[in-house]
Amino acid sequence: DAMVIQNPRYQVTQFGKPVTLSCSQTLNHNVMYWYQQKSSQAPKLLFHYYDKDFNNEADTPDNFQSRRPNTSFCFLDIRSPGLGDAAMYLCATSNRRGGLNTEAFFGQGTRLTVV
Amino acid sequence: AQSVSQHNHHVILSEAASLELGCNYSYGGTVNLFWYVQYPGQHLQLLLKYFSGDPLVKGIKGFEAEFIKSKFSFNLRKPSVQWSDTAEYFCAVRQGGSEKLVFGKGTKLTVNP
Repeated sequence: DAMVIQNPRYQVTQFGKPVTLSCSQTLNHNVMYWYQQKSSQAPKLLFHYYDKDFNNEADTPDNFQSRRPNTSFCFLDIRSPGLGDAAMYLCATSNRRGGLNTEAFFGQGTRLTVV
Repeated sequence: AQSVSQHNHHVILSEAASLELGCNYSYGGTVNLFWYVQYPGQHLQLLLKYFSGDPLVKGIKGFEAEFIKSKFSFNLRKPSVQWSDTAEYFCAVRQGGSEKLVFGKGTKLTVNP
């Protein structure tokens, strides 16, 4: 059974039109991540939540925002997508308790196309 | 800044050949180390992990990796590859006690029957 679920699997959006990607998890993990992966490149961390604490990477463009309304759901909002934002977006979770943290569990990803 | 280097972009082997994929990281403190595999059309899956203890770690499907602290390395090995091992392999590093997980660029492995 899928534990980290991303919807949709494929998303086509127009240049400049806001788009939201969603992620849900059944693991009850307290950490959720968003990564951007372009072709033949490493997954690049955009930001992550540790519970409700939001941690933005220094080089993540302001165009990218995130919301985590509860433990199970996390959203990636792209306010004005450009052609360079076309990529696979990966959601992942892990569980951190004290100084220990589990491995990350990944969803199937959402492939975003900007036209 | 923390970085992860994978030396091989694309490796092509015949079935039954031995495999070693290199991974080096830049962070000098306590680290958690991972190898993930991505089969065509599928999501990233954990192959193996190192948190502490025995530096030789065994994972699924006959893979193993060795943590060499002095070399900042965590190389992946398999003595005899199969066609079904064709996939992309990613090394990832996390600073101990942190949530941030940083990936290498990945190595594409093609195994010819």
